[in-house]
Amino acid sequence: AQTVTQSQPEMSVQEAETVTLSCTYDTSESDYYLFWYKQPPSRQMILVIRQEAYKQQNATENRFSVNFQKAAKSFSLKISDSQLGDAAMYFCAYRTSINTGTASKLTFGTGTRLQVTL
Amino acid sequence: DTAVSQTPKYLVTQMGNDKSIKCEQNLGHDTMYWYKQDSKKFLKIMFSYNNKELIINETVPNRFSPKSPDKAHLNLHINSLELGDSAVYFCASSHSQDRGGYNEQFFGPGTRLTVL
Repeated sequence: AQTVTQSQPEMSVQEAETVTLSCTYDTSESDYYLFWYKQPPSRQMILVIRQEAYKQQNATENRFSVNFQKAAKSFSLKISDSQLGDAAMYFCAYRTSINTGTASKLTFGTGTRLQVTL
Repeated sequence: DTAVSQTPKYLVTQMGNDKSIKCEQNLGHDTMYWYKQDSKKFLKIMFSYNNKELIINETVPNRFSPKSPDKAHLNLHINSLELGDSAVYFCASSHSQDRGGYNEQFFGPGTRLTVL
């Protein structure tokens, strides 16, 4: 079974600075998808960024980028120019790409609470 | 234009009661999910339906019974509620796996269930 580990329960960053959130995972599959979700106090789950395992290029979305190291099974999230609105829980998630023909669950890490200070 | 909606958003009830949470999506997806987020914020899949057929059924007490009347709706009924059922329950939807690609899951706003 796949597992996702986020070893940082809490992180803090000053506004306008850069922070990196760590995520490692364990899988025997060669192709899969990885995601970072943001959950602000409103509790809405918001997709921040996604990466397909067979793509070597790291995904970027504006101020958010990932460092995907497939051999190390590592998928960290970098937030540049941090803003107060970035304060939230961040969840790393894994999904198989095996064609089951139907559904595939997301397996989540335990989350990292990010605080943004002035 | 709410994509995935859940009702109610908050539910407070006594132990032993039976309650239902409803979920609707207007994204044209054919796959829907229920996730549970516990008090430590850990999110875990409970069920998934594809075209009204149960596809994923994790180790969940049989007091929990999902029902999908059509592709756009997935309800969760909980019998004999226990204190440990207190959590936030999220509904999500996506296209099915066989379409290829990310098949991003879109989440509803969550239902906070409190059992007293």
